[in-house]
Amino acid sequence: DIQMTQSPSSLSPSLGDRVTITCRASQRIGDYLNWYQQKPGNAPKLLIYAASTLQRGVPSRFSGSGSESETDFTLTISNLQPEDFATYYCQQGYSTPFTFGGGTKVEIK
Amino acid sequence: QVQLQESGPGQVKPSETLSLTCDVSGASITKSYWSWIRQSPGKGLEWIGYIYDSGSTTYNPSLKSRVTMSMDTLKNRFSVRLRSVTAADTAVYFCARSPEFDILTGYYFDHWGQGALVTVSS
Repeated sequence: DIQMTQSPSSLSPSLGDRVTITCRASQRIGDYLNWYQQKPGNAPKLLIYAASTLQRGVPSRFSGSGSESETDFTLTISNLQPEDFATYYCQQGYSTPFTFGGGTKVEIK
Repeated sequence: QVQLQESGPGQVKPSETLSLTCDVSGASITKSYWSWIRQSPGKGLEWIGYIYDSGSTTYNPSLKSRVTMSMDTLKNRFSVRLRSVTAADTAVYFCARSPEFDILTGYYFDHWGQGALVTVSS
């Protein structure tokens, strides 16, 4: 199985901050990396797929990028808004079994 | 607008079989890939498997010996059965959709059900 490692596991930014979350795959996965946002009691919501493609309806302050290594990926939230406080997960869509990172909880400072 | 809704018992006894159904509206289940994913505090998000076409399946090897998925095209729904459950199977179970595979994008989950909590307890 491909292991997905996220860092940090939690962070406490302030409103308006720029937040960066990283995800590392245990092997090369091309650009087959997806990001989700989950709020308590809700299902995960797709934010970005294929490393950098914004899902329809997601604000442009969310962005994603990959690297030449095809193992390291980044989710960036610019100008953090109150509704952005949530837990974020990465997921590899390269091969089955599909696997998720352990999550990054973005908490209010 | 694609919508998914899980249904099934909220409690199952140890060693028995967990059964859940996902009703789909706004899309035909004969297209796309339809997954079950579970979430527990101990194991995070875990992909259980998917069903596609007219019933082809791929399961997570960690659960393959206990899982069966099926689909009912007339009712536009799909189901999962997990046999011989233990407390470790207690989780929120989600159904989710992946669009048809595209070599540029791989597999991702663009629509999810709200989730169904299943507790394994006697």
